[in-house]
Amino acid sequence: DIQMTQSPSSVSASVGDRVTITCRASQGISSWLAWYQQKPGKAPKLLIYAASSLQSGVPSRFSGSGSGTDFTLTISSLQPEDFATYYCQQANSFPHTFGQGTKVEIK
Amino acid sequence: QVQLVQSGAEVKKPGASVKVSCKASGYTFTSYDINWVRQATGQGLEWMGWMNPNSGNTGYAQKFQGRVTMTRNTSISTAYMELSSLRSEDTAVYYCASSGGVHWGQGTLVTVSS
Repeated sequence: DIQMTQSPSSVSASVGDRVTITCRASQGISSWLAWYQQKPGKAPKLLIYAASSLQSGVPSRFSGSGSGTDFTLTISSLQPEDFATYYCQQANSFPHTFGQGTKVEIK
Repeated sequence: QVQLVQSGAEVKKPGASVKVSCKASGYTFTSYDINWVRQATGQGLEWMGWMNPNSGNTGYAQKFQGRVTMTRNTSISTAYMELSSLRSEDTAVYYCASSGGVHWGQGTLVTVSS
């Protein structure tokens, strides 16, 4: 199985801050990576697919980059509604494993 | 609009089985795979497997092999996930999601307790 490792596990930030979350795959996955946002009690919401493609309706302050084994999710200017947990998921091969999550908290 | 609506919460005893349904609407059910993902309280997301509603083909994570069965009824656009030999560690919210992760069900809480 491909292991997905996110860092950091949590980050404290203020409104307006730039936040970067990284995700590393244990082997190359090309660009088969998605990023999700999850708020308490809710289903995950797709933000980014194919490593860098913004899902329709998602604000442009979210961006993704990377290929192979190293990937990044960037929130350019953190908004109050962005405080949540973020997950990466690889779709290169089964099982489609998730990272352990990164909680973005209010500073 | 596309919707995935799951069945309600379940309470089961250890050793029992649970079958969760996921009814699709707003698109052609056989056009997209259905994935199942679970999340224990306070924990991360865990991918369980996938099903092609057109062919019925399935693929399961090794962890669940032999205990999970994913099926469908195309006449009512509904996918099912059955998990057997339940144990306390299976207590979680179970989600169905369309391939690509755009659409998710609301989640079904399965509690395993004696």
